[in-house]
Amino acid sequence: DAKTTQPPSMDCAEGRAANLPCNHSTISGNEYVYWYRQIHSQGPQYIIHGLKNNETNEMASLIITEDRKSSTLILPHATLRDTAVYYCIVLPNQFYFGTGTSLTVIP
Amino acid sequence: EPEVTQTPSHQVTQMGQEVILRCVPISNHLYFYWYRQILGQKVEFLVSFYNNEISEKSEIFDDQFSVERPDGSNFTLKIRSTKLEDSAMYFCASSIRATNTEAFFGQGTRLTVV
Repeated sequence: DAKTTQPPSMDCAEGRAANLPCNHSTISGNEYVYWYRQIHSQGPQYIIHGLKNNETNEMASLIITEDRKSSTLILPHATLRDTAVYYCIVLPNQFYFGTGTSLTVIP
Repeated sequence: EPEVTQTPSHQVTQMGQEVILRCVPISNHLYFYWYRQILGQKVEFLVSFYNNEISEKSEIFDDQFSVERPDGSNFTLKIRSTKLEDSAMYFCASSIRATNTEAFFGQGTRLTVV
C-alpha cells in the first residue's frame, strides 16, 4: 500500500516552477522516495528518486527534508507537456501507486 | 534509448476466453513486473518476477493469472478465463535490480472483455 500523501490536484502557469509536495511521515531508513508521472493513459514514466540527499536530473529536482518525512518534486520550467498525474512512491521494492497529484499546466 | 515494448496495444476478447499479453523487457534487466489500471482508477501492482520465479504478487493476482518468461526476451501475462472486470490497461515494467533503481514501463495493452 502507498505510504504517501499528496494533494489531489494542482495548477501551474506555463514557464513557472511546479512544486509538488509529498508527505511520507512513516518512511523508514532504507526506503527510497521515487517520483513517476503518467500522461493520459500512457505507461508511468520515471522522473527521479532519492534516499536522503537532494537530487537533480534533466527532468526535475527532488528536495527531501532532513527528517525525510516529506519531499518536493520541482519541475523548474513547466510546459504544457508536463500536464500529468504525478506519483510519489516510497517503498524498498515494489512500486505501489497511490492516487497522485494531477498537475495541470496552464498557458 | 532502450524501452519496454508490449503487444498488442489493444486486445478485445470474449468473456471466458484466455488471453496472453506479451512484453519484451529491456534486454539487461532482471526484474519484471505486471500492473493494471482499470479506467479512471489507480495503477495496481499485480506481480513481480525474478530468476524465473514469482517474487511477489498482490491479492489481485489469483489463480486466473499466470506469468511466464518463455524465452530469453519475452515476458507474458496469461488470463485463463477472462471476466468483464478484467477490462483494463495492463502495463509491463522491468528494472535492472530490485531496489534503488527505476522501473521502466511499457505503453500498455488495453484489454477489453466483452
